[in-house]
Parts: sequence; structure tokens; C-alpha cells
Amino acid sequence: EGQVVESGGGLVQPGGSLRLSCAASGFTFSSYVMSWVRQAPGKGLEWVSTISGSGGSTYYADSVKGRFTISRDNSKNTLYLQMNSLRAEDTAVYYCAINYGSGWGQGTLVTVSS
Amino acid sequence: EIVLTQSPGTLSLSPGERATLSCRASQSVSSSYLAWYQQKPGQAPRLLIYGTSYRAAGIPDRFSGSGSGTDFTLTISRLEPEDFAVYYCQHYGSSATFGGGTKVEIK
Repeated sequence: EGQVVESGGGLVQPGGSLRLSCAASGFTFSSYVMSWVRQAPGKGLEWVSTISGSGGSTYYADSVKGRFTISRDNSKNTLYLQMNSLRAEDTAVYYCAINYGSGWGQGTLVTVSS
Repeated sequence: EIVLTQSPGTLSLSPGERATLSCRASQSVSSSYLAWYQQKPGQAPRLLIYGTSYRAAGIPDRFSGSGSGTDFTLTISRLEPEDFAVYYCQHYGSSATFGGGTKVEIK
């Protein structure tokens, strides 16, 4: 059964940057679409971004378009989310998901605050 | 952009009762790309149903999904204590969107 483990969260000031990583194991990583989904404290789920198995196609929510970049390294079985120009409203637990949600990590908390 | 509206916001039921959760799309969507998730406090979501009606691996058969077009339903035939949680519907394709969630609480 596939597993994913996120890392890289933390406290960052508004306008700052952070890169999240998601290490995958137990499945053929390059064959799967991968996604990032976030959840603000006490709120519902919000889809953030998705990338094709090859990395050739990427998709973003309007709320992060132009600020976040999803990428993957299939040789390292790792998914990334580069987050720039962070805002307070980006504060959330960020989940890595296989496909659009067939498997989930435990999440990593990103807090944007001065 | 497709908007998913879930109702009710909160469902208060007793163990053993039947739960019926609704998910309405702002425009017709393919039933192949409609999923349901369960989330308990402090935990990641768990996939229950994909393709409107297909149970994910390990999901008990008391969970069932149905619907087409703009109206979709998740039914829990008899609530077990572990079923009290928040449930989200999702439409996915190239992009994705989630409904706002329905909390199923113990009455």
C-alpha cells in the first residue's frame, strides 16, 4: 500500500517562501498523478495543485496561481510544493495526496505570521 | 468553476440510524469523477467512495454512493460509533474542488 510523508512546514513571515516535500513509497510513483490539498484551522479541505505522473502537466487553484509551484522528482520518489509570496490566508495543514485523494499523508503545518 | 454544495451542514443522528448526505454541483459533472471522504479530528481524510458509487479498498458496505448530473448522495445504512465524523464530496479532473463538508454528530 502506498505511503506518503510530508515535511518542510513551519513558521514563515508574510511575503516569505517555503518549500514542502512529500516522500512517497510503496507504489510506482512516476505512474501516479499527485496533489496538494490544504486545510486552514477549523475549516474544510481546499485543493491546491495537481501534477501529472511525468510532471509535464500542472494545475493550480486560483488562490495560489502565480505564487505556488508544484514539481516532482521521479528519481527520488518525491513531490514538492514551492510556496512564494506567502500570505496569512495560506496558513493551513498541507496534505500530499496520491491522485486526488486515494492516499494521504499526515500533513505538515504552515503558519504565515509576523 | 464547479462549486459543490453539501447539505445539511450538520446531521445529528443516533448509532444504528441511517445517514443521507447530499452534494449538489453548480453544473453537471461526470459521475466518474465524484468522490467522498471521511475525516476525523486530527486525522487526514480517508477516501470512501470514488466514481460516485465505488467503495475504496477496506470500506465497509454500509457506505454507499449514488447520483448523477448535479445531485449526488452518500448513504450510511446503519451508523456505527466510528462513523461520526465530517464528510466531504469532491469533484476531480484536471483541477479539483471540495464541498464544504457535512458533520455527522451523535444525537
